[in-house]
Amino acid sequence: NAGVMQNPRHLVRRRGQEARLRCSPMKGHSHVYWYRQLPEEGLKFMVYLQKENIIDESGMPKERFSAEFPKEGPSILRIQQVVRGDSAAYFCASSPKDRWANTGELFFGEGSRLTVL
Amino acid sequence: GQNIDQPTEMTATEGAIVQINCTYQTSGFNGLFWYQQHAGEAPTFLSYNVLDGLEEKGRFSSFLSRSKGYSYLLLKELQMKDSASYLCAVRDGPGGYNKLIFGAGTRLAVHP
Repeated sequence: NAGVMQNPRHLVRRRGQEARLRCSPMKGHSHVYWYRQLPEEGLKFMVYLQKENIIDESGMPKERFSAEFPKEGPSILRIQQVVRGDSAAYFCASSPKDRWANTGELFFGEGSRLTVL
Repeated sequence: GQNIDQPTEMTATEGAIVQINCTYQTSGFNGLFWYQQHAGEAPTFLSYNVLDGLEEKGRFSSFLSRSKGYSYLLLKELQMKDSASYLCAVRDGPGGYNKLIFGAGTRLAVHP
């Protein structure tokens, strides 16, 4: 009964490199959400995906950031040419199909902590 | 726009009761959530309100007034392990859309 799995848990990159963060949702969940959390701040919504579809990317920076959730495999959040300001914890959350059958709470992974040197 | 406000920090004594307030102004409303987050860990779900009133769950209760855009989380019989951040979040999307908008969180410190 694995929960939401994220890896890597910690990632260090130099400015200009690429960061790839992976998220496997809970079993039976088909909706994935990515959030960013800066130190001492709340969770900021980035993107909402279903399998092979981006549903809402209103929180994604316009450049350097992209996300995907392929038919097979985990969801990937990709940050190209990282800068120091990208240093943050990136949390992935999942939920079952969008129905009103339950409260619809999100289940969060442990996060990936990106440090840009 | 989206605005969710909660106090930045609170302190309380072990065994006491604490109330954490949250006010919100969002373009839509389809439920309010409270999450607990210990430092360096994942947020975990505490409570959910969609109708006005009080929802009780053990030592934790959550209240909602939709007309006032207001919620609170009540923690009773505080324990040291309750020291954490408490995040208020609103689901503002259409029916079944589970995107949550979070406040900045309230850091609660419980002292002996």
